[in-house]
Amino acid sequence: DAGITQSPRHKVTETGTPVTLRCHQTENHRYMYWYRQDPGHGLRLIHYSYGVKDTDKGEVSDGYSVSRSKTEDFLLTLESATSSQTSVYFCAISESGRTSYEQYFGPGTRLTVT
Amino acid sequence: SQKIEQNSEALNIQEGKTATLTCNYTNYSPAYLQWYRQDPGRGPVFLLLIRENEKEKRKERLKVTFDTTLKQSLFHITASQPADSATYLCATGTASKLTFGTGTRLQVTL
Repeated sequence: DAGITQSPRHKVTETGTPVTLRCHQTENHRYMYWYRQDPGHGLRLIHYSYGVKDTDKGEVSDGYSVSRSKTEDFLLTLESATSSQTSVYFCAISESGRTSYEQYFGPGTRLTVT
Repeated sequence: SQKIEQNSEALNIQEGKTATLTCNYTNYSPAYLQWYRQDPGRGPVFLLLIRENEKEKRKERLKVTFDTTLKQSLFHITASQPADSATYLCATGTASKLTFGTGTRLQVTL
């Protein structure tokens, strides 16, 4: 298995509070991604990073921010959590941003916003 | 942007039979198409990638086809086993962004 960990694995938080999810990799892959997965929608890309301090938006980026200060860590922040952000969040890594390269996924974080 | 459609209804088949899952895409014809497996409570795991100039790709009991005329990829599992029960996702995209289908759940029974 690719060396990807996510923390926390489960979190319950209240509406309006800030939340930060962490993704850590030991593979030294350049590309890192944050997805959310919801019933009926599948996996949707939130943000991705193509290097330290280099990030870009995905399909559903509103309400989320990211940071990557080290190759191995990619943080996803919900500045003020809302109930619509209740979801399962997956981090993924890839050697390359080309779609000919597979992505390796972490175990996921289940976030509940009450 | 690309849209991926997979049958949202679960596919139930008997052990030993061949399971066939469908992935349809709209808009442009992708250069690559990927298939992933996802078990409950876990992240997706990459299975196979097929290029647009490849009609077929095999890996052990898995076979993927890519028909650019029909805008469709088929994913086959031959001699299916209960351990093959999972949700299977197809994905494609451009410029570093993969678009995933919602997945089809496969249930293999004895």
